Amino acid sequence: SAVISQKPSRDICQRGTSLTIQCQVDSQVTMMFWYRQQPGQSLTLIATANQGSEATYESGFVIDKFPISRPNLTFSTLTVSNMSPEDSSIYLCSATHVGGWTDTQYFGPGTRLTVL
Amino acid sequence: AQTVTQSQPEMSVQEAETVTLSCTYDTSESDYYLFWYKQPPSRQMILVIRQEAYKQQNATENRFSVNFQKAAKSFSLKISDSQLGDAAMYFCAYNAGNMLTFGGGTRLMVKP
Repeated sequence: SAVISQKPSRDICQRGTSLTIQCQVDSQVTMMFWYRQQPGQSLTLIATANQGSEATYESGFVIDKFPISRPNLTFSTLTVSNMSPEDSSIYLCSATHVGGWTDTQYFGPGTRLTVL
Repeated sequence: AQTVTQSQPEMSVQEAETVTLSCTYDTSESDYYLFWYKQPPSRQMILVIRQEAYKQQNATENRFSVNFQKAAKSFSLKISDSQLGDAAMYFCAYNAGNMLTFGGGTRLMVKP
């Protein structure tokens, strides 16, 4: 399985600011995804990060709030823009890797975001 | 839309005993994949086991095994010889085309 790292691991931010989360995979991957996990809840897919093109967003998530980039096969960023306390969550990236099961996602360690 | 239901918000098991976590799902697809993920307090999502829907044989990974009942749309996880390190949130997940849909999770506590 691929090794996935995320930075930062946690952050505390002020209302109205933005935070960019980085996701790096140690091998070439086919697909990358971003999820949100609100406190005490399950995971919800935010978007699929597409290499070299706009991300594909799920219902309830928009590009202006969660811009995503994926400049190459192994790296992606998620920005949480104009944050409010409701954005306090764990944000996780995942990937399916080349040579493995294309249906199976492996996850990074997550970024715990607290918005004051 | 596919839904995944975990009816047990919390379960507890004595160390060395066996516990079964339940999961049901709703789909109109015939070809899909099912997973169990473990999330310890470190919050890292760890893949526990994977099941291909077209395979009748239940998947097994060491102490972890599943009971996959396709007609009943049921996918339970059995943990044998429970260890303290098994304490975590367990999420059942469904995939029929790259998108993972998760259940609400079951918190497993292991008593020494």
